[in-house]
Amino acid sequence: DAGVTQSPTHLIKTRGQQVTLRCSPKSGHDTVSWYQQALGQGPQFIFQYYEEEERQRGNFPDRFSGHQFPNYSSELNVNALLLGDSALYLCASSAGTGDRNTIYFGEGSWLTVV
Amino acid sequence: TQLLEQSPQFLSIQEGENLTVYCNSSSVFSSLQWYRQEPGEGPVLLVTVVTGGEVKKLKRLTFQFGDARKDSSLHITAAQPGDTGLYLCAGSGGYQKVTFGIGTKLQVIP
Repeated sequence: DAGVTQSPTHLIKTRGQQVTLRCSPKSGHDTVSWYQQALGQGPQFIFQYYEEEERQRGNFPDRFSGHQFPNYSSELNVNALLLGDSALYLCASSAGTGDRNTIYFGEGSWLTVV
Repeated sequence: TQLLEQSPQFLSIQEGENLTVYCNSSSVFSSLQWYRQEPGEGPVLLVTVVTGGEVKKLKRLTFQFGDARKDSSLHITAAQPGDTGLYLCAGSGGYQKVTFGIGTKLQVIP
């Protein structure tokens, strides 16, 4: 049973470019959340998708957008990249809407903006 | 906005010593999780506590949830070099939105 998988694992982009990160949730999970973790910081909540809709959003600009597909996989898109967007982007999945359901994280995608 | 304050942020101890990490908030959480993260990897769940006053033990690790569900602590007995890592507390409040603390970077010196 595969856990949460993310791709790519590492990538380098130039300031102003756009990036798409991908996430496949753990089998049986239907809720996907995205987090940004800067070096030396705890993860910061970006947004959450459930039933193909954005259900919650953290304090991130509109340059950050996402999508969830019918198979529950998800994409995170970041437009007009800034140097400060360099971080580890984590995807987390869980099942159902119960607040106490266990959340599992992927290994993350390291984004470097130069 | 729910905020979690973690302390200390850095901790360097000798193998065999005991330590406690604290996680505090002014908000009430329906549950609180502790994660351990290795460099370059995603957080790995250690424990979830859901009931005020709850105490859970995982080998040499003891986790406690405050009576008011606003704070938690992680105590490690006889720390080992393998315990080295970033320890994150995270609170859940509504639709599984998880709020993380800044983390405690633990180094256990052999």
